[in-house]
Amino acid sequence: DQQVKQNSPSLSVQEGRISILNCDYTNSMFDYFLWYKKYPAEGPTFLISISSIKDKNEDGRFTVFLNKSAKHLSLHIVPSQPGDSAVYFCAAKEVRSQGNLIFGKGTKLSVKP
Amino acid sequence: NAGVTQTPKFRILKIGQSMTLQCTQDMNHNYMYWYRQDPGMGLKLIYYSVGAGITDKGEVPNGYNVSRSTTEDFPLRLELAAPSQTSVYFCASRGTGGSPLHFGNGTRLTVT
Repeated sequence: DQQVKQNSPSLSVQEGRISILNCDYTNSMFDYFLWYKKYPAEGPTFLISISSIKDKNEDGRFTVFLNKSAKHLSLHIVPSQPGDSAVYFCAAKEVRSQGNLIFGKGTKLSVKP
Repeated sequence: NAGVTQTPKFRILKIGQSMTLQCTQDMNHNYMYWYRQDPGMGLKLIYYSVGAGITDKGEVPNGYNVSRSTTEDFPLRLELAAPSQTSVYFCASRGTGGSPLHFGNGTRLTVT
C-alpha cells in the first residue's frame, strides 16, 4: 500500500509554460512534505518543502500547494525551462519520525524547447 | 565541500557474495540514512542512524546490516547477495531540526 502516490509517470511541457506535478497521500500523520529533483546518475536534490500548517510555499519559479482536506499537494514550475527536465519525487514525513521520508514513485518531466 | 560520498559507483556481485557499500559525509550531520531505489519505484528506507552508535531498521532491512562507529561514516553491509538486492542504493544525511536530506550519487548494484 503506497502512502505517497504520484499517479503520472511522465509529463511533457513546452518551454515557458507551466508544469504541474501532482502528489496524493493517505497518511493523516504526515506533517511535512518535500519535493526532490533527480537527474540521471545523480542523487536526488532537495527542491522545496511545505509544512502541514501552511497551504502554499514559494521559492522563485517553484511553488508547492498543499490541500490537507484532499490529501493532495502539487508542485508548480513557472516558467518551465529545459534544465528542469528530470524526475521529480514527492516525499512526506510523519509526525515524530526521525526524519524518515516516504517517497512516491516519481514523475519524469520533459521540458521541450 | 564534498557533501555525501558513496563508493563504489557500480558493482556486480555473484549470488551469495558479500560486500560493503561505503558512505561518508563531511557536514557533521547526526542523521544518516540508506535508501534503495528499484526501477520505476520510489526510494525505500533500509536503515537509518540518529548518531554514532545508534542504528535502526527502516522499511526494508532484511538482508542488510549497518554500523555507525563515527559521525562521518555509515557503511551498509550485504552478507549473502541475492538477485532481489539488485538496485540503486542511496546514502543520505541531514542536520538537526527540519533540515532536508542530502543524498550521495548512489551505488548501482547488480546481483547475478
